[in-house]
Amino acid sequence: AQSVTQPDIHITVSEGASLELRCNYSYGATPYLFWYVQSPGQGLQLLLKYFSGDTLVQGIKGFEAEFKRSQSSFNLRKPSVHWSDAAEYFCAGSQGNLIFGKGTKLSVKP
Amino acid sequence: DAGVTQSPTHLIKTRGQQVTLRCSPKSGHDTVSWYQQALGQGPQFIFQYYEEEERQRGNFPDRFSGHQFPNYSSELNVNALLLGDSALYLCASSLWDTEAFFGQGTRLTVV
Repeated sequence: AQSVTQPDIHITVSEGASLELRCNYSYGATPYLFWYVQSPGQGLQLLLKYFSGDTLVQGIKGFEAEFKRSQSSFNLRKPSVHWSDAAEYFCAGSQGNLIFGKGTKLSVKP
Repeated sequence: DAGVTQSPTHLIKTRGQQVTLRCSPKSGHDTVSWYQQALGQGPQFIFQYYEEEERQRGNFPDRFSGHQFPNYSSELNVNALLLGDSALYLCASSLWDTEAFFGQGTRLTVV
């Protein structure tokens, strides 16, 4: 069955520190891959997407993600975290409909 | 561009009742998908509509039904509500299989 796994339920980083959120996917063929962010009680905002081509994709708010076919991974990174980045982050794969991971909650320490 | 809009934002229903949620897609989008997000979980795919037809369906019972209108707006109907149907219901629109844009969601509470 198709699935997306986010191994980390909750991550806390200090403001200004770097961030990496992990995502692994299990599909028969490489799906489209996405990262979304969700603030409490809100909808989902698309951070970035990978369809094909360059394996390092740039997104909004200074985020980037790297697609690694050999590891079935699509990890999200940010060089320097801001307090406003505190939110829930969801990785998703798609071959027609989105399959989401369970999310990683990011807390930012001052 | 107003983006994806959903109504209502919140509602409370009693077990056994029926509910209808509404979604207007982003301008230019022709595909609408519905997701259920329980507290502390990732969104789960309910179904997707394209050209007024249900194109794909997730693992949800027949109590969940939908409709897409000629102007691409959509409704999600849930019959015989259960306590477990309490969740945030998210609508997403896209142009065929390109990236999906989400609305703010409808928070449904079943009591």
